[in-house]
Amino acid sequence: DAGVTQSPTHLIKTRGQQVTLRCSPKSGHDTVSWYQQALGQGPQFIFQYYEEEERQRGNFPDRFSGHQFPNYSSELNVNALLLGDSALYLCASSLRDRVHEQYFGPGTRLTVT
Amino acid sequence: AQSVAQPEDQVNVAEGNPLTVKCTYSVSGNPYLFWYVQYPNRGLQFLLKYITGDNLVKGSYGFEAEFNKSQTSFHLKKPSALVSDSALYFCAVRDISNTGKLIFGQGTTLQVKP
Repeated sequence: DAGVTQSPTHLIKTRGQQVTLRCSPKSGHDTVSWYQQALGQGPQFIFQYYEEEERQRGNFPDRFSGHQFPNYSSELNVNALLLGDSALYLCASSLRDRVHEQYFGPGTRLTVT
Repeated sequence: AQSVAQPEDQVNVAEGNPLTVKCTYSVSGNPYLFWYVQYPNRGLQFLLKYITGDNLVKGSYGFEAEFNKSQTSFHLKKPSALVSDSALYFCAVRDISNTGKLIFGQGTTLQVKP
């Protein structure tokens, strides 16, 4: 039973560029949440997707957007990258009716230079 | 506002001794509480949760946590620490108004020395 997978593992981008991160949920899960974990901090909720729509959103600017595909996988897009966007980006999956029981992937380490 | 506090940045214990990692929360209504562990360069691994029922919750790898409503605390405990328990531990609470959102504390680094 595959767990949550994320790609790529690491990424280096330049300020102003755009980036796309990918997530495949745990088998059987239909809901995907994204979190940003800055160095030395706890994860911060970005948004959650279910039935291919954004359902919940945290306090992040519109530069952060996402998408969910029919197979429940998801992408996180960040436009106009800032140095402060450097962080570990975590994807978590869950079942819609047990959305609080979130299983996390290994994360994508984004460095913006 | 709902929040979680982990008052200790680091906890040091000797192998074989009991360990406690502290967590307090602030949330209206009945809280859903969680503990996660993070090893270097890894994602978060679920340890245990409290939703309702017995105040003492048992989880993975011999960890347990005690829910105390009067003190709004949810401390993580283990009777006998292992060197391999050394990691970063996060306490989290479900956001009441945004049920898909987990609110995390700042994290506590546990260092278990041989």
